[in-house]
Amino acid sequence: DTGVSQDPRHKITKRGQNVTFRCDPISEHNRLYWYRQTLGQGPEFLTYFQNEAQLEKSRLLSDRFSAERPKGSFSTLEIQRTEQGDSAMYLCASSPGRIAGQETQYFGPGTRLLVL
Amino acid sequence: AQSVAQPEDQVNVAEGNPLTVKCTYSVSGNPYLFWYVQYPNRGLQFLLKYITGDNLVKGSYGFEAEFNKSQTSFHLKKPSALVSDSALYFCAVDTGGFKTIFGAGTRLFVKA
Repeated sequence: DTGVSQDPRHKITKRGQNVTFRCDPISEHNRLYWYRQTLGQGPEFLTYFQNEAQLEKSRLLSDRFSAERPKGSFSTLEIQRTEQGDSAMYLCASSPGRIAGQETQYFGPGTRLLVL
Repeated sequence: AQSVAQPEDQVNVAEGNPLTVKCTYSVSGNPYLFWYVQYPNRGLQFLLKYITGDNLVKGSYGFEAEFNKSQTSFHLKKPSALVSDSALYFCAVDTGGFKTIFGAGTRLFVKA
């Protein structure tokens, strides 16, 4: 058990609906990452937080996507007006946040989204 | 731009034989290289990483990887494969920023 939890584990929604996912990182970790993984591909970086500050966003993160980490603890990822192309596994990871680029990331089990 | 290539979609090996899962990378600075493993219905788990120093890195479950700067490779190896090693393996690279680039993954199948 890595200590990172994600909720829900599975989500089925209809096209056009909004969905929100939650990630609870390892408690002492300052960095939190969101990734998207589609079948047959590796995780693709979406966004990254250092404490409560969102420091980088991928171009994959369209205007329909928003992420927050309001108190530097848990994070939420919201997708508005979902599209079938949003169907994927959404992964959250955390790391201590002391040395950029060198740290092991600890991944949660993921939230699998299916948009009908 | 940073990139990672895992040239084999699947590697098949008999239990007890040595295994190699290949990874090559392209970065503009010094690379930090990682291997993660993904079991069905579970998140990615860290195996090992190269940051600096000895080119041969040892990690979890008997795995090791060798950093080869001239060939820009970081192949994952294990002297004797187990059926329980069957999983999806990802190579990843970072250069000190905040964005980790993952390869597409290689599925390892170990036959008893």
